[in-house]
Amino acid sequence: NAGVTQTPKFRVLKTGQSMTLLCAQDMNHEYMYWYRQDPGMGLRLIHYSVGEGTTAKGEVPDGYNVSRLKKQNFLLGLESAAPSQTSVYFCASTERRGGTGELFFGEGSRLTVL
Amino acid sequence: QQQVKQSPQSLIVQKGGISIINCAYENTAFDYFPWYQQFPGKGPALLIAIRPDVSEKKEGRFTISFNKSAKQFSLHIMDSQPGDSATYFCAAFRGSQGNLIFGKGTKLSVKP
Repeated sequence: NAGVTQTPKFRVLKTGQSMTLLCAQDMNHEYMYWYRQDPGMGLRLIHYSVGEGTTAKGEVPDGYNVSRLKKQNFLLGLESAAPSQTSVYFCASTERRGGTGELFFGEGSRLTVL
Repeated sequence: QQQVKQSPQSLIVQKGGISIINCAYENTAFDYFPWYQQFPGKGPALLIAIRPDVSEKKEGRFTISFNKSAKQFSLHIMDSQPGDSATYFCAAFRGSQGNLIFGKGTKLSVKP
C-alpha cells in the first residue's frame, strides 16, 4: 500500500517552460488536492477535486491547471512556469464528502523555476 | 483573506515543558478542526482533530482546547520532547465542500 505518490520529487525549470506533476493514490479516495508550501506561508490550496472528472479552484489557482481523468490520479500542470512558482508542492487525498478532514499527503515535489 | 490565523510562528520550549499553539478562524461553516504535524522533508500528517461541539480532546500528551463562541482553538503538548520538534499546522475543514484550509504553521523546537 503506497498511499499517495508524487512524481517527480525534484525538478528545475526555466521561465516559460511547461511541466506536469503527477499524483497517484491507491486508497480509492474520492477527494484529491494540490497544495503549495512556501516559507512563512503555510500550505495554500491550489486546486482540488471531489471526484473523477471534477475540479475546483482553491486559494491560489492562477497559473496552474489540473485534470482528474481517473479516480486515482490528479495532475497539476504549469503551462508557462514563472519564478514565483518555485515551491514545494504537496498532493493529498481523503476518503469522502463529509469526512473528518484527515488528508493523506504525499512526500512533496520540489520545483525550482530559474 | 486569511481564514485561519495561527500563532506563534516559532516556539522554543525546554524538554519537559508545555508547548501551546493558538489558532483562530472566521467562518462558522467549518465543521472539523484538525492539527497536522510535519517533519522536514515529509508531508504533513494528522496529529489530532476536534469537532466544534466538543470543548476538549486529549490523545496522550496532545490536547486540543476549543472555544466555539470565541472561534478559537489551541494545541497543548505536555511534557514536550525533542522528538516533538516539527512544524505544526492548525486547519479548518468544511465537510460539505471537502475544503481544508491551513494556518501558516508554527515551528516548534524542543531543547534537551
